[in-house]
Amino acid sequence: AQSVTQLDSHVSVSEGTPVLLRCNYSSSYSPSLFWYVQHPNKGLQLLLKYTSAATLVKGINGFEAEFKKSETSFHLTKPSAHMSDAAEYFCVVTYYSSASKIIFGSGTRLSIRP
Amino acid sequence: DAGVTQSPTHLIKTRGQQVTLRCSPKSGHDTVSWYQQALGQGPQFIFQYYEEEERQRGNFPDRFSGHQFPNYSSELNVNALLLGDSALYLCASGGAGQGLSGANVLTFGAGSRLTVL
Repeated sequence: AQSVTQLDSHVSVSEGTPVLLRCNYSSSYSPSLFWYVQHPNKGLQLLLKYTSAATLVKGINGFEAEFKKSETSFHLTKPSAHMSDAAEYFCVVTYYSSASKIIFGSGTRLSIRP
Repeated sequence: DAGVTQSPTHLIKTRGQQVTLRCSPKSGHDTVSWYQQALGQGPQFIFQYYEEEERQRGNFPDRFSGHQFPNYSSELNVNALLLGDSALYLCASGGAGQGLSGANVLTFGAGSRLTVL
């Protein structure tokens, strides 16, 4: 079965320190992987996507993620957290198949301490 | 360029009632998908419409139905509402000719928050 697991439901970091949000996926086919961010009362916004090109993907607002096939991981990182990064983050996987259902992780809430 | 717009933003219904939620996709997009996001959880895929037909469906009962119109806008209908249907319902559009490719980048609306009492 296709699935995606976000390993931390809540991550808290101090402003200016690195951010790591972890995501693992199950692999039946070649996946497309995405990270979305959800701020309160706003729609989901795409941070970055991986679609079988470069394994290190750079996104908006200084975020990046590395696709590691051997570890079936797609962790999201940022070198220095900003207060505005506080939000809910979702790892998303889709597959190139006739059933291109889109699978969301359960989300990681990122808190930033001043 | 307007993104995805959803209406209404909030609504309250009672058990057993029916609800219709509406979605206008981003200009140039031709696929629309719907998601249910319960409080504290990730969105769950309900179904996807392309060329006015339901193409993919998640694990939701037949009480959940939808429609896509020739202008690509879409409706989500839920009959016989249950307390457990209380959630944020998200609409997303994508495609612009890519159809149902898994690599579609989706544009999400802000959602319709449904409360069932």
